[in-house]
Amino acid sequence: GAGVSQSPSNKVTEKGKDVELRCDPISGHTALYWYRQSLGQGLEFLIYFQGNSAPDKSGLPSDRFSAERTGGSVSTLTIQRTQQEDSAVYLCASSRSGRGTDTQYFGPGTRLTVL
Amino acid sequence: TQLLEQSPQFLSIQEGENLTVYCNSSSVFSSLQWYRQEPGEGPVLLVTVVTGGEVKKLKRLTFQFGDARKDSSLHITAAQPGDTGLYLCAGARGDDKIIFGKGTRLHILP
Repeated sequence: GAGVSQSPSNKVTEKGKDVELRCDPISGHTALYWYRQSLGQGLEFLIYFQGNSAPDKSGLPSDRFSAERTGGSVSTLTIQRTQQEDSAVYLCASSRSGRGTDTQYFGPGTRLTVL
Repeated sequence: TQLLEQSPQFLSIQEGENLTVYCNSSSVFSSLQWYRQEPGEGPVLLVTVVTGGEVKKLKRLTFQFGDARKDSSLHITAAQPGDTGLYLCAGARGDDKIIFGKGTRLHILP
């Protein structure tokens, strides 16, 4: 079956512009996660969705970052007024139910470059 | 606060050598997972361990969960160039909140 997909794969934008990143999780997966990965670094948790609700937004770096999920499926991560420090790979993952023992299936990521 | 410390951060060894990487915490986890990430791709799950003292083998990879469920190790026997990648551990607490370590970047030289 289809895995997690993300679009765009690459995004170059100018400082101050808004960007939207999209994640299509595996069908039927109720849990969806967004992470940020800076060059050569590990994963920084951003936000977790269970269905359309976000019980854990603790990782969002600032109020310029927001995310939503609709229909228990597609999610968009929006970054307003982008800054150069926002440059990173943004990874999305989904899992069947969000339990700690579930496998997280990751997409290939969106590489964001802010000039 | 970094709850999961991975060591070493970087490791470069010759093909055929053995190695061990570690994932340590002062917190107890209900389960722990190891993922491997290759350049340009998302991480892929290698194993999940849930019982203190548990040992799981995956071909040349041996994973151990500490008795107190605060730490884990990954041992690779006779490393091969295909083992190159970023190894991430991820611990789940009782509330199912999942925390990733910063990873060990492994490079196997042919």
